[in-house]
Amino acid sequence: AQSVTQPDIHITVSEGASLELRCNYSYGATPYLFWYVQSPGQGLQLLLKYFSGDTLVQGIKGFEAEFKRSQSSFNLRKPSVHWSDAAEYFCAVGRGGTSYGKLTFGQGTILTVHP
Amino acid sequence: GAVVSQHPSWVICKSGTSVKIECRSLDFQATTMFWYRQFPKQSLMLMATSNEGSKATYEQGVEKDKFLINHASLTLSTLTVTSAHPEDSSFYICSTEGNSGNTIYFGEGSWLTVV
Repeated sequence: AQSVTQPDIHITVSEGASLELRCNYSYGATPYLFWYVQSPGQGLQLLLKYFSGDTLVQGIKGFEAEFKRSQSSFNLRKPSVHWSDAAEYFCAVGRGGTSYGKLTFGQGTILTVHP
Repeated sequence: GAVVSQHPSWVICKSGTSVKIECRSLDFQATTMFWYRQFPKQSLMLMATSNEGSKATYEQGVEKDKFLINHASLTLSTLTVTSAHPEDSSFYICSTEGNSGNTIYFGEGSWLTVV
């Protein structure tokens, strides 16, 4: 069965600083990988996804993520964080094939942004 | 606009009563929908896979007789929490795979509070 680990429960950065959120997955085949963001009391918003092809994926709001098969990682990055980026971020892995929508989520990383 | 609509957004019910949450796909047919649950300060956990015209498939540890899933049409799946207890208070969110492939749509989510 697939699994996702987000090692950092809580990260604090200053506004304007760079950000990297870590995600490691366990899956036997090539995974479908996702990053979602959730603001307090809100639903999920997709930031980006990787299915195949270029391992550096660009997403919305200036985020990007890099799939590294050798490290089983899919870390999320942003060069300059804005105060509005404060939220909880979830990495997720989906099975390939006929049911890619069945996701396993990581524990989430709460991002706090200091002015 | 929303591709998947979930209703209600917020619901409060008394212990022992049942509450129904609806998940509708707008403008497309969803043969498969997924239901997730998120307890406060925790990650999202898949509860079940809802298949149009057949029985839902529940994840291990999820009581199928307590969480009734009905997917009677190609655009509607419902989750009924029966005999609700305070420990069922959670954020419930549905999702579906898009028809064009490699796209997952989440509903807005439903906050359930059992008092």
